[in-house]
Amino acid sequence: GENVEQHPSTLSVQEGDSAVIKCTYSDSASNYFPWYKQELGKRPQLIIDIRSNVGEKKDQRIAVTLNKTAKHFSLHITETQPEDSAVYFCHTGGFKTIFGAGTRLFVKA
Amino acid sequence: EPEVTQTPSHQVTQMGQEVILRCVPISNHLYFYWYRQILGQKVEFLVSFYNNEISEKSEIFDDQFSVERPDGSNFTLKIRSTKLEDSAMYFCASSFGLAGGVHYEQYFGPGTRLTVT
Repeated sequence: GENVEQHPSTLSVQEGDSAVIKCTYSDSASNYFPWYKQELGKRPQLIIDIRSNVGEKKDQRIAVTLNKTAKHFSLHITETQPEDSAVYFCHTGGFKTIFGAGTRLFVKA
Repeated sequence: EPEVTQTPSHQVTQMGQEVILRCVPISNHLYFYWYRQILGQKVEFLVSFYNNEISEKSEIFDDQFSVERPDGSNFTLKIRSTKLEDSAMYFCASSFGLAGGVHYEQYFGPGTRLTVT
């Protein structure tokens, strides 16, 4: 069945450094790739998404890249700040939404 | 900005009891979802719902679970006979759905924490 693998499970960076989180998926029909941020005790919230007709999308310090041939997409956060500390989830959009296992990002001040 | 709402925020129930979790999706959205998240773990898909019927469901969504849209605004998840392992945060989400073959963003509610004792 469909599968989404997310790496790393934990990522610790110094404030100001970049962070990269990657998801690999199996369903070649997937065409929508969002990233969610979940702070402790709160709901997941969309931070950026990309559709399969583009390879990269940027929004200030956050970017997402997509490689449809290799079936992976990545979240890039530049100039990280302590408030970026959270759990980040990817999923492959669809009516049977498969989430990645999550990456716990720690940004050390 | 419109939001998905969920009630109650916390539900405590005894094993074997039935619970109904309620959600009010964003009003012009067409697709509705239920997810669960066991503490510290990933978000797990349960079911999606469109046009008054289930669109997709996962292996978790067995005969103990059912969903309903009883009126024009509410979307409910019923667990018939709760088990200890049903303890989790349950999130409802809604989206506009699909346009031109491409999916749209899902908006999540704040969740209902279900504790089964």
